[in-house]
Amino acid sequence: DIQMTQSPYSLSVSIGDRVTITCRASQSLGSYLNWYQQKPGKAPKLLIYAVSYLHTGVPSRFSASGSGADFTLTISSVQPEDFATYYCQQSSRTPYTFGQGTKLEIK
Amino acid sequence: EVQLVESGGDLVQPGGSLRLSCAASGFTLSNYWMHWVRQAPGKGLVWVSRINSDGSDIRYADSVKGRFTISRDNAKSTLYLQMNSLRDDDTALYYCVRGFSNSGWPEGDFWGQGTLVTVSS
Repeated sequence: DIQMTQSPYSLSVSIGDRVTITCRASQSLGSYLNWYQQKPGKAPKLLIYAVSYLHTGVPSRFSASGSGADFTLTISSVQPEDFATYYCQQSSRTPYTFGQGTKLEIK
Repeated sequence: EVQLVESGGDLVQPGGSLRLSCAASGFTLSNYWMHWVRQAPGKGLVWVSRINSDGSDIRYADSVKGRFTISRDNAKSTLYLQMNSLRDDDTALYYCVRGFSNSGWPEGDFWGQGTLVTVSS
């Protein structure tokens, strides 16, 4: 199975900060890497698909990049509605594994 | 408007069975792969199973292989998950998730609200 390791596990930031979350896979994923945002009590929402493509309706302050086995999600200027847990997921090979999540908290 | 509505979650004893359903609307189910993803209380997301658009290619997580069966009825726009030999660690909120379309990306763009499965004696 492909292991997905996110870092950090949690992040305490202020409004307006720039935030970067990393996701490392145990093997190369090609383009098959997605990012999701989940707020408490809600279903996850797709932010980024195929490594770097912004899903419809997602604010442009979100961006992502990467290749091979190393990927990043960046929020250029954190807004109050961005405080949530973020997950990466690989869909290169089954089982389609998720990272353990990164919880973004208000400082 | 795309909607995925799960149902069928319940409290069940270890060793019992449940069938989850996911009613799809606002799009043509037969054009999409579909997934089940679960989340235990307070824990992260775990992929469970995937079925391609016509049901000819099915995959499972090792933890559910041989116990769970994913299926679909495209005529009824419904996805199913038959869950047998349930264990305590199957307790979770189960999400239905839209996957790739026949024309490709994106995947994971729509999720249901989830249905809760609790396995306990």
